[in-house]
Amino acid sequence: GENVEQHPSTLSVQEGDSAVIKCTYSDSASNYFPWYKQELGKGPQLIIDIRSNVGEKKDQRIAVTLNKTAKHFSLHITETQPEDSAVYFCAASVNFNKFYFGSGTKLNVKP
Amino acid sequence: EAGVTQFPSHSVIEKGQTVTLRCDPISGHDNLYWYRRVMGKEIKFLLHFVKESKQDESGMPNNRFLAERTGGTYSTLKVQPAELEDSGVYFCASSQDSRGWAFFGQGTRLTVV
Repeated sequence: GENVEQHPSTLSVQEGDSAVIKCTYSDSASNYFPWYKQELGKGPQLIIDIRSNVGEKKDQRIAVTLNKTAKHFSLHITETQPEDSAVYFCAASVNFNKFYFGSGTKLNVKP
Repeated sequence: EAGVTQFPSHSVIEKGQTVTLRCDPISGHDNLYWYRRVMGKEIKFLLHFVKESKQDESGMPNNRFLAERTGGTYSTLKVQPAELEDSGVYFCASSQDSRGWAFFGQGTRLTVV
């Protein structure tokens, strides 16, 4: 089955700096890669996703890149703000079916 | 539009007891998923309903777990009897298949003591 690895497990940045979270996957059939943000006491919330037919997608301060050959994808957050502090999960899926999640990255943005 | 709703938000039960978790998906979403996060590890897939049918239950840990989705609407996940290792946060998610976006509920934190 699919195996998704996520790094780092914790990330601390200064407000205004950039944050990068990286994930690798093992199943070459995976073609959908969502990113979720989980704030304390809440469920995971979809923040951005990318499909295997594109290499990069951007939404304001958030961008995701995908390298199908190397089987890795990354989340980039620019100009971080304290409200970006949360746990971020990457996931991989074949045709939008069940998701295989990474173990999560706890991002702390220091004011 | 209401999101995915889960009940209860927290549950503390003794080993050997039974617990039933409930999930109300977003109206009109045929796909419903159950996931679990144990001990701060990754979120793991349990099973997938399409309407009232189980599409994939490969992630169910053992026969102490029983999931149902009555009439293709809300779903329940029963753990009977509960064991200590069942502790964790149980998430429900729903989606419209063609769009891919899956929306998660806030989770039920289950503690077995």
